Amino acid sequence: DIQMTQSPPTLSVSVGDRVTIACRASQSINYWLAWYQQKPGKAPKLLIYKASTLESGVPSRFSGSGSGTEFTLTISSLQPDDFATYYCQQYSTYPCSFGQGTKLEIK
Amino acid sequence: EVQLVESGGGLVQPGGSLRLSCAASGFTFSSYWMHWVRQAPGKGLVWVSRVNIDGSSTRYADSVKGRFTMSRDNAKNTLYLQMSSLRVEDTAVYYCAKETAPEAALDHWGQGTLVTVSS
Repeated sequence: DIQMTQSPPTLSVSVGDRVTIACRASQSINYWLAWYQQKPGKAPKLLIYKASTLESGVPSRFSGSGSGTEFTLTISSLQPDDFATYYCQQYSTYPCSFGQGTKLEIK
Repeated sequence: EVQLVESGGGLVQPGGSLRLSCAASGFTFSSYWMHWVRQAPGKGLVWVSRVNIDGSSTRYADSVKGRFTMSRDNAKNTLYLQMSSLRVEDTAVYYCAKETAPEAALDHWGQGTLVTVSS
């Protein structure tokens, strides 16, 4: 099974900051990676798929990059609505697997 | 508008059974693969299972294989998860989710239904 490791688990940030979250796969997944945002008590929301394709309606301050085993999610200028937990997910091979999440906290 | 509405969660004793449902609307249900994902209280997302468009192919996480059965009724636009031999560690919010096409990312999710396994 493919393990997904996100770092850091928690990030203390301020509005306007540039934020980068890393996700590493235990083996190559090409670009079959998605990023999700989840707020407390809510369902996850798809942000990016195929490593770098922005889902329709998602603000352009979100971007994804990477291939193979190393991926990043970048928020270019953090907005108040972006404080949430972010998960990566590989869908290259079953069983699909998620990273453990990165929580953005207010500094 | 795509809508996924889960139901059937509740409190069940260890070893018991429960069937979750997910009613779909706003899209051609029979054209999309569907998934179940769960989240234990305060924990991260865990993929559970997937079914193809006509229900002929399913895949499961090792943790639920042999205990959970995923199915769908395209005539009723409904997805199911039959859970048996439930364990305390199955306690979680269960989400149904729709795959994008042709990608396999999950572009729409239900609000979730809570399953609590406790004596």
